[in-house]
Amino acid sequence: DVKVTQSSRYLVKRTGEKVFLECVQDMDHENMFWYRQDPGLGLRLIYFSYDVKMKEKGDIPEGYSVSREKKERFSLILESASTNQTSMYLCASTRGGSYNEQFFGPGTRLTVL
Amino acid sequence: QKEVEQNSGPLSVPEGAIASLNCTYSDRGSQSFFWYRQYSGKSPELIMSIYSNGDKEDGRFTAQLNKASQYVSLLIRDSQPSDSATYLCAVKPRSSASKIIFGSGTRLSIRP
Repeated sequence: DVKVTQSSRYLVKRTGEKVFLECVQDMDHENMFWYRQDPGLGLRLIYFSYDVKMKEKGDIPEGYSVSREKKERFSLILESASTNQTSMYLCASTRGGSYNEQFFGPGTRLTVL
Repeated sequence: QKEVEQNSGPLSVPEGAIASLNCTYSDRGSQSFFWYRQYSGKSPELIMSIYSNGDKEDGRFTAQLNKASQYVSLLIRDSQPSDSATYLCAVKPRSSASKIIFGSGTRLSIRP
């Protein structure tokens, strides 16, 4: 079974703090994704990575950056957290090629005060 | 027009009945189609994937794909209260190597 884990289930930070969210998958998947999910707005793609050190912007990259130094690990960074970044953050991975099923981690509920 | 459209619901279905969830998509060249179930406060869980026209059955779930009409549906037979969740339709467009586009989800409620 694919396992995607995220570093925290719940996180509370203050405005202006730098925030790191980590995601690890154990199935040697090529592609990894970061989404945020907000009521009424659905899942929105922030960034994704198709290989180590490779990244592409998604639909809402502003205020975020990412890092993928190892294949199994994909980090989302909020450079200076703001209250409008309070959200559920979801990491997903997929093998790629003909196999596009995305498998999600449990999510991190981030609150920025 | 949204790339993947779903009725937001809520869709209320009596226990034991068939729940029918529908999804339309805009990219005619889309190749891969997925249904996810998401319980409140939890992350999406993949329940079905379908790649060719027709029906695909897995237990109480049947996914139906009609590429000519650009719709995909999910049928849940013998609905149970535990099926109450939001169901997300997702589509891989032709232009995408790995990204998939999610619909906003249909909230399903199974009433006893």
